[in-house]
Amino acid sequence: GIQVEQSPPDLILQEGANSTLRCNFSDSVNNLQWFHQNPWGQLINLFYIPSGTKQNGRLSATTVATERYSLLYISSSQTTDSGVYFCAVDRGSQGNLIFGKGTKLSVKP
Amino acid sequence: AAGVIQSPRHLIKEKRETATLKCYPIPRHDTVYWYQQGPGQDPQFLISFYEKMQSDKGSIPDRFSAQQFSDYHSELNMSSLELGDSALYFCASSVTAEAFFGQGTRLTVV
Repeated sequence: GIQVEQSPPDLILQEGANSTLRCNFSDSVNNLQWFHQNPWGQLINLFYIPSGTKQNGRLSATTVATERYSLLYISSSQTTDSGVYFCAVDRGSQGNLIFGKGTKLSVKP
Repeated sequence: AAGVIQSPRHLIKEKRETATLKCYPIPRHDTVYWYQQGPGQDPQFLISFYEKMQSDKGSIPDRFSAQQFSDYHSELNMSSLELGDSALYFCASSVTAEAFFGQGTRLTVV
């Protein structure tokens, strides 16, 4: 099956810093989503981005489908950005997402 | 905007008991998915339904079953609970490729 690798596994930032999270996948995909899991366990949709670039406030994402990777950029990080960031992909049309292991982000005040 | 609603939010059961988790998808979403997330793990796909029919099956134990009803809500039934079933259970729904997740049900088996 398709493999999803995220890096780095852990990241500690000072408030205000910028960061880049990476997601590599082993095969072509129809769907790629980024999620933020907050400390209470809630999975929050960040981006649906099987290709191209999108921006939402301090967050932006880019997926280069031909090279099988996606990047999530977080600028001017805040303590509320802490949590685990998951990349998830789906090869087919049924929408059954395969998640990476996540990047655990801690933003210090 | 309406979101995916899951109930209950928390559930404590003893070993060998049964549990039923409920999911109410976003209105007009025709597909429902169930995922299991163990402590420190990533979510794992269990089962999905499209228009009330099972559409795909993942790593769902035989002790678990699920269905989607005529009003599109879904229930995950778990029997003979084991300590290892303690996890966060997510339901998600979609109408296009993008899936939206509920807040999850945290099941603790003691």
